[in-house]
Amino acid sequence: GNSVTQMEGPVTLSEEAFLTINCTYTATGYPSLFWYVQYPGEGLQLLLKATKADDKGSNKGFEATYRKETTSFHLEKGSVQVSDSAVYFCALDLNDYKLSFGAGTTVTVRA
Amino acid sequence: DGGITQSPKYLFRKEGQNVTLSCEQNLNHDAMYWYRQDPGQGLRLIYYSQIVNDFQKGDIAEGYSVSREKKESFPLTVTSAQKNPTAFYLCASSVGPDQPQHFGDGTRLSIL
Repeated sequence: GNSVTQMEGPVTLSEEAFLTINCTYTATGYPSLFWYVQYPGEGLQLLLKATKADDKGSNKGFEATYRKETTSFHLEKGSVQVSDSAVYFCALDLNDYKLSFGAGTTVTVRA
Repeated sequence: DGGITQSPKYLFRKEGQNVTLSCEQNLNHDAMYWYRQDPGQGLRLIYYSQIVNDFQKGDIAEGYSVSREKKESFPLTVTSAQKNPTAFYLCASSVGPDQPQHFGDGTRLSIL
């Protein structure tokens, strides 16, 4: 079946540090890949997406590249801020209305 | 502003009681979804609807029911058959498959 594996958290960083959250997937076809972010007490918001191999999604300083050869979609940000503290979810969609989510990675950024 | 509204924000259920969670969207999206979120876990799909008057079971549909009588509305009923209903419930919508989903702010359900 389809599945997403994220690096376990929690992750604690200092402001301006580099952030990487690993995400790998297993899928029977060619999925679209997403990163969503969830702030405390809220729903999820789309952070970025990529629909085919070698696509790079980017938004708010975050980037992720769709790597078909390694079945990965790692999230990176070069300089985090306190406001980036949230739970980050990697997800895949095989065009069948069913998003498969990873377990989420909690990121805390200290001032 | 367009978006998804879930209500109530907090809900308490007594043993043996059915409760209904509301989800309304004004994004003109055809597809709507219900997810359950438990601590430390990703989201799990309960039900989804591709179009009005149609819906399908997701991965954990047992103990839940839905209806889709209007394009804007997709209420979820947590029945007494759901033995472990305490969770955070999220509603979402999208234009169609393979498109980003837009989420509401969730309803937190607890057992009294």
